[in-house]
Parts: sequence; structure tokens; C-alpha cells
Amino acid sequence: SQTIHQWPATLVQPVGSPLSLECTVEGTSNPNLYWYRQAAGRGLQLLFYSVGIGQISSEVPQNLSASRPQDRQFILSSKKLLLSDSGFYLCAWGRGGSGYTFGSGTRLTVV
Amino acid sequence: GENVEQHPSTLSVQEGDSAVIKCTYSDSASNYFPWYKQELGKGPQLIIDIRSNVGEKKDQRIAVTLNKTAKHFSLHITETQPEDSAVYFCAASRNTGNQFYFGTGTSLTVIP
Repeated sequence: SQTIHQWPATLVQPVGSPLSLECTVEGTSNPNLYWYRQAAGRGLQLLFYSVGIGQISSEVPQNLSASRPQDRQFILSSKKLLLSDSGFYLCAWGRGGSGYTFGSGTRLTVV
Repeated sequence: GENVEQHPSTLSVQEGDSAVIKCTYSDSASNYFPWYKQELGKGPQLIIDIRSNVGEKKDQRIAVTLNKTAKHFSLHITETQPEDSAVYFCAASRNTGNQFYFGTGTSLTVIP
């Protein structure tokens, strides 16, 4: 069966520090991978998605970047965090025509 | 692109009553409509989905209906229980698409 791992679960980082969140998927190959951010516990904002290794699509201009160095690995990064980067970050995988499976999320607090 | 609207944003019901959440979509080519439940501090989980060749689908106390002509779909929860309290998201996508378009979420509270 397919599983998705996302870590860390919580993170407190100072303004201006770098960020690296990792997501890995097991039990499937060539998945579509997604990074979402959820502010104030509600709406899901798509940040990046990837349909293959090295292929990244960005939905909104921002202080973040994403990379997919391996088929089942998706990384969300920032060189310098802003206060506005605080939120709940969710990784997901899926394929066209079927539902997403979300990871358990990372609660990021920038102080 | 697709635009998904979801109502209401908050919903409170007494335990045992029914809850209905409604979504509309704009892209007539969308043909897959999943619903997600998100409990506090966790990632959303798929609870039910429906494809455009079906008008209704039921799974125990949860049902989803789809009206393709009107471009709207709804989630129905019967005999609500306190553990149904969560945020629910609808979404729409194309079979051949790479993206889901989510509604803004409904915070459901079931009052014991």
C-alpha cells in the first residue's frame, strides 16, 4: 500500500533562517507531488506541484522553492524565512483521476 | 481555470441530525469530485468521491450527490456524531488533470 511521510511535525524557526521540509512517498512510482499551505486552519493554498523528477510548477510567487531530486521525494525550501511563512504545510501525492493522499503536515512557526 | 465555491463556511448541528455541505464548480470538463475531512492538526483525508457518470454515491452515513447540469455537488452526513466534527473540503478535477481545485472548507460542529 502507498504511504506518505512528511517531517518534521512541528518546527519553530527564527526570521531569516533557512527552511527544508521533506516529503517521501512509498509504494508507488511516478506520482504527482504537491505542496500546500494552510493558514488560519482553513483554506488549502497550492504552492508547488511536480509531475516528475526535476519538474516543478509554482502556483504563487513567494519566498519558497521546491525541488524533486528523486521520483518519490519532494522538498520545500526557503533561504530566508519571513514571518508570513508561518502556517501548516501539507505534502500530497496523487494521479489524474484519483484523490490526493495528504501527509500529516508540518506546523511551521516563524518567530 | 476551475473555481470551486463551498457553503456554508461553518455549520453546527445537534447530534443525530443531518448535515449538508454544498459546492459549485465552474469548469464543465471537471469529472471527478472528492470530499476530504480534516481533523484538528492533521492532514485532510479522503472520505468519499464521485465521478461524473454517477449521480449519487453512498457509504454508510455519508453520501454525495452530483448535478452536472447545474455544476454542483453536495455532501450529506446523516445521524451525525461528535466525531464528525471537523473541517470538510470539496474539490474538483479532470481525470487527465494534475491539479485539484479545493473549496474553502466548512467547519462542522456536532453538538452532543
